[in-house]
Formats: sequence, C-alpha cells, structure tokens
Amino acid sequence: NAGVTQTPKFRILKIGQSMTLQCAQDMNHNYMYWYRQDPGMGLKLIYYSVGAGITDKGEVPNGYNVSRSTTEDFPLRLELAAPSQTSVYFCASSSPRDGEKLFFGSGTQLSVL
Amino acid sequence: AQSVTQLDSQVPVFEEAPVELRCNYSSSVSVYLFWYVQYPNQGLQLLLKYLSGSTLVKGINGFEAEFNKSQTSFHLRKPSVHISDTAEYFCAVSDVNTDKLIFGTGTRLQVFP
Repeated sequence: NAGVTQTPKFRILKIGQSMTLQCAQDMNHNYMYWYRQDPGMGLKLIYYSVGAGITDKGEVPNGYNVSRSTTEDFPLRLELAAPSQTSVYFCASSSPRDGEKLFFGSGTQLSVL
Repeated sequence: AQSVTQLDSQVPVFEEAPVELRCNYSSSVSVYLFWYVQYPNQGLQLLLKYLSGSTLVKGINGFEAEFNKSQTSFHLRKPSVHISDTAEYFCAVSDVNTDKLIFGTGTRLQVFP
C-alpha cells in the first residue's frame, strides 16, 4: 500500500489564482480529512468526509472546496488564492477498523504571493 | 465541542534527560486521545493513542502517556531522550462518536547534546 499520497509537494501561487491539491489513499478508508498547519498554530481541520459523496466543513473551511466522488480521492480546491492561505496542507484518512488511527500524507507546502 | 491545550510551545532538554510534554483537553463527552510526532519536513506519525482500558499507554520510541480523567490530562513522557527525538509533538482529541480530530498547537521538543 502506498498509504496517503498528496500532490504536489510544493506550489507557489499568485493572488487570485486557483488550484487543486490532490489526495488519494489506497487503504479503503471511509474517512478523509484536510488540515492546514500554520506556524505555532497546530493543525486546523478544513474539511472532512465520512464517505464517498459526503463532505462536511471543519474549523476553517472558508476559501476552500472539496469533493469526494470516490472512496480513494479527496481533492481540495482553492478558487481565489489569498496570502492567508499560505500554509502547509495535510491530507489524512482513517477507519474504525484501523483503530481510528490517522494516516497522513507528507504534506503540500503552498505559498501565495 | 472539544478543545486541546498544549501549554508549552517549546521544551529544551539535554540528551538523556527525562521529559514531559503536557496536554490538557476539555470535552463534554468521552474522548479518544492521541499524540503525534512531526519530524522536520515530514508528515505526522502516530506515537500512541488512548481509546479505552489501561490509562498508561506505551507508544513507539520509548514514549508513554497517562490518561487522567479527573485532571483531563494526557501528558507525554520519556525517561531519557535522544537527539533524534527533536521534533514537534501534537496532542489530539476526538469525540468517540465522530472521527474529527482536534489538535493542540504543538510543542517543539529540542534535545541538546
């Protein structure tokens, strides 16, 4: 198993540009999450999904959108990038049958200039 | 709603000294508790978790944590640290009825020779 795969690893955007952060997992996990990590702030939950076709907002959803058309994929969309979205983004997945353990991707470092 | 407080943003220690990283949580329902470690330029790894049963939980790399319900704490300890333990440590809590993880702001453990 590859686990949780995030692409790209790094990206620089100009203000107002849009992009999609990709996340895929091959563990057949129902639950998937997007977090952002800002220095000294820990992780903040952006969106999560409990299964294909179901998504819900987390703590900081503004400026982002997600979709979950398949169990494997959970892309995060930034429509109009803003400097406040400069952060490191982590995708994660979990399943009750794996003891609620979160499996994380390696992160995407995004800078909006 | 749950919340997590990590009181120490940084903990400097010398190699082979013991260390305790503090974590307190608040919740109106039963919770699961986790400690994650993030090494430089990597994603998060699960150190240990408390779901139920024994309140003393042993994790990887010689770490352990004790769940104290009356004090709503889940402090992480290691009797003798190594240089390689230098990393960011995150405490997290989830409601037993959902899979949403709420993270603390992290504690940077810096081990000096």
